[in-house]
Amino acid sequence: GDSVTQMEGPVTLSEEAFLTINCTYTATGYPSLFWYVQYPGEGLQLLLKATKADDKGSNKGFEATYRKETTSFHLEKGSVQVSDSAVYFCALSVGMDSSYKLIFGSGTRLLVRP
Amino acid sequence: DAGVIQSPRHEVTEMGQEVTLRCKPISGHNSLFWYRQTMMRGLELLIYFNNNVPIDDSGMPEDRFSAKMPNASFSTLKIQPSEPRDSAVYFCASSLDWAGGSDTQYFGPGTRLTVL
Repeated sequence: GDSVTQMEGPVTLSEEAFLTINCTYTATGYPSLFWYVQYPGEGLQLLLKATKADDKGSNKGFEATYRKETTSFHLEKGSVQVSDSAVYFCALSVGMDSSYKLIFGSGTRLLVRP
Repeated sequence: DAGVIQSPRHEVTEMGQEVTLRCKPISGHNSLFWYRQTMMRGLELLIYFNNNVPIDDSGMPEDRFSAKMPNASFSTLKIQPSEPRDSAVYFCASSLDWAGGSDTQYFGPGTRLTVL
């Protein structure tokens, strides 16, 4: 079935370090791909998305490229800040005929130290 | 602009009691989603509505759970009777146009439910 696999956390980095959070997916058809972020005590917020192969989503210095050949959507940021500490969820959208649902990965906790 | 509003933010109840969670979506959004988040199962879609009509309720755990959307600005998720395994954070989300499966979903702050 359709699924998303994320790297296990927590990921601990020093401020200004390079970040990669791996995400791979299994899906029939051509899903849209998303990264959502959850700050402590809050709901999820969309960070970025890509709707077709080779699209690059970007926001707030974060980037991810939809790679159909490797079924991946890895999240990257060149220089993390303490304020980036949060849980990051990779997700895909599956369905048809106007009935779609988001399937989330298990989430990766990022902790950035000053 | 007000985001998705959920109430209550925290609910503690005893096993067997009825629990009602409430959600007000962003004005103008035509899709509404209920999710449950637990450590063991992660984030799961329970049900979603499009134009107040339930489209997919395959995630609703069992008959103890029910959801309604009587109008475009209000939805409820009810658990009757509640059980300790229902303890979780329940999120409501809304989307302007989810028909194509690529629009942004806006999440509320969640309701943390504890069933003793």
